[in-house]
Amino acid sequence: GAGVSQSPSNKVTEKGKDVELRCDPISGHTALYWYRQRLGQGLEFLIYFQGNSAPDKSGLPSDRFSAERTGESVSTLTIQRTQQEDSAVYLCASSYSGETQYFGPGTRLLVL
Amino acid sequence: DAKTTQPPSMDCAEGRAANLPCNHSTISGNEYVYWYRQIHSQGPQYIIHGLKNNETNEMASLIITEDRKSSTLILPHATLRDTAVYYCILPSGGSNYKLTFGKGTLLTVNP
Repeated sequence: GAGVSQSPSNKVTEKGKDVELRCDPISGHTALYWYRQRLGQGLEFLIYFQGNSAPDKSGLPSDRFSAERTGESVSTLTIQRTQQEDSAVYLCASSYSGETQYFGPGTRLLVL
Repeated sequence: DAKTTQPPSMDCAEGRAANLPCNHSTISGNEYVYWYRQIHSQGPQYIIHGLKNNETNEMASLIITEDRKSSTLILPHATLRDTAVYYCILPSGGSNYKLTFGKGTLLTVNP
């Protein structure tokens, strides 16, 4: 079946602009996660959605970052007023009720 | 504070078994050990996980010591496509959902 998909695959933006990154989880997966991976670094947890529960936003680095999820489907990660340090690969994962996470290919964001 | 310790790099000959070690001496009784890998420029890929018993699937075997303070991921017949960074992870968070990826082990499979 289809895996986790993310769009766009690459995004180049100018400092100060807003960007939206999209994630389509595996059908039937109730949990969805966003991570960030800076060049040469490990993954940083950003946010976690589980069903209709309040999301765990504890990993969001600043109030410029926000994410939404509609039911158990698509999620959007929004970065407002982008900064150069936001340049990274943003990875989305989904799982069935908090178990094994399956990752998408990521969105490579470059802020000039 | 790192929860797992892995060697930064390892080499393996194609067709031979690759044994990747991980130390997790502070593991608690209900923490699972997960292994993921990340091939260059791709998203992480789940490999295997276990609690205290050895596990095997179509990709690999996981050997966990009796005291659970260390584990070894075994790729029985490594291929060039297995060249990747391998991560040993103890998920955290209330439902064990937060994956914290450290530096992992860069496994290079040589022809």
